Amino acid sequence: DGGITQSPKYLFRKEGQNVTLSCEQNLNHDAMYWYRQDPGQGLRLIYYSQIVNDFQKGDIAEGYSVSREKKESFPLTVTSAQKNPTAFYLCATVPGQDYNEQFFGPGTRLTVL
Amino acid sequence: QQQVKQSPQSLIVQKGGISIINCAYENTAFDYFPWYQQFPGKGPALLIAIRPDVSEKKEGRFTISFNKSAKQFSLHIMDSQPGDSATYFCAASRALFRSRLTFGEGTQLTVNP
Repeated sequence: DGGITQSPKYLFRKEGQNVTLSCEQNLNHDAMYWYRQDPGQGLRLIYYSQIVNDFQKGDIAEGYSVSREKKESFPLTVTSAQKNPTAFYLCATVPGQDYNEQFFGPGTRLTVL
Repeated sequence: QQQVKQSPQSLIVQKGGISIINCAYENTAFDYFPWYQQFPGKGPALLIAIRPDVSEKKEGRFTISFNKSAKQFSLHIMDSQPGDSATYFCAASRALFRSRLTFGEGTQLTVNP
């Protein structure tokens, strides 16, 4: 079954704790993206990676970190430095740099208590 | 800063009616304008897209109208159905980096039976 897997679907953490969100894909897509979705603010880009072992900050990278050690995986860590981490997090992939369409995973809803 | 402005934030339409969502952009380097559809608890998916060399694109009940001089584009949903109830995002990207999309704030559409 091909696609993008984000786990878990719901995640609860205490304030001050780091948490890592998983994003795995078996589409053999080169690029992977992380977005944060808040009501009324659309999708805001956190980090993206166009190739393995390389990634770039997006528009709201502060308080987040990523790694891209494998083509299939692009985990996102929400650190304690992120002031308002409660949000819906979406991972997306793109086949290559010249492609327009982004393919989204099902998302992870993070709630920090 | 928000480079793509979307309105309205929410829209309620009766079954069979026309739903219209508008977007305006600032960056004249944008040359690809997609619309994404997102159902509750799911990731967005590409609905329809347009390039600025045409003023209109139609796919089934969905039409994008594009006004290059006004830097505006809109999504029209004809004969709206309850199954169209979702959040709709407009987006834009540049030729030099096609896969990096800038999203609008989103419109929550409700189609009443």
